[in-house]
Amino acid sequence: AQTVTQSQPEMSVQEAETVTLSCTYDTSESDYYLFWYKQPPSRQMILVIRQEAYKQQNATENRFSVNFQKAAKSFSLKISDSQLGDAAMYFCAYRSATRFGSQFYFGTGTSLTVIP
Amino acid sequence: EPEVTQTPSHQVTQMGQEVILRCVPISNHLYFYWYRQILGQKVEFLVSFYNNEISEKSEIFDDQFSVERPDGSNFTLKIRSTKLEDSAMYFCASNWGINTEAFFGQGTRLTVV
Repeated sequence: AQTVTQSQPEMSVQEAETVTLSCTYDTSESDYYLFWYKQPPSRQMILVIRQEAYKQQNATENRFSVNFQKAAKSFSLKISDSQLGDAAMYFCAYRSATRFGSQFYFGTGTSLTVIP
Repeated sequence: EPEVTQTPSHQVTQMGQEVILRCVPISNHLYFYWYRQILGQKVEFLVSFYNNEISEKSEIFDDQFSVERPDGSNFTLKIRSTKLEDSAMYFCASNWGINTEAFFGQGTRLTVV
């Protein structure tokens, strides 16, 4: 089965600075998708960014970008110019691209604190 | 913007009672999911549903759980005889295709007393 590991339970960053959240995963599949979801105190799950495994180019979404290393099975999230509203729990997730109805596998999450 | 909606937002039930959690996925989506998150823990997969049947389920999804899509819009999770350890946030999610991200509802907080 696929596993997703987030080794940083908590991270903090100064407002306007850059922070990187780590994620590694284990899979035998070659075609899959990776996601970062944000969960603010309201506990809503909000998609931050996604990456298709077949794409070599790293995904970017405004201040959010990823460093996708397929061979190393690593998928880190970089948040630039951190804002107070970025404070939340961040979950890395994996999903198969070949199996219908396949579930999302989530990591344990990283709690990000933004210091004013 | 279309969104997944869940009702109720919070439900308190007595141990042993049946509860039904309701979800209205985004209308053109084809894949539906239930996840749960015990406070302070990771988001855990319960079940996925496609073409009017369960396509995948986890070990958590035992005989006390069932899902149904009774009409074209609702997607429900029933817990037949609740236990204290069923207390959690339950998220419904849906997506259009296999290569698309899931949109999550705002969750239903279930408290079993």
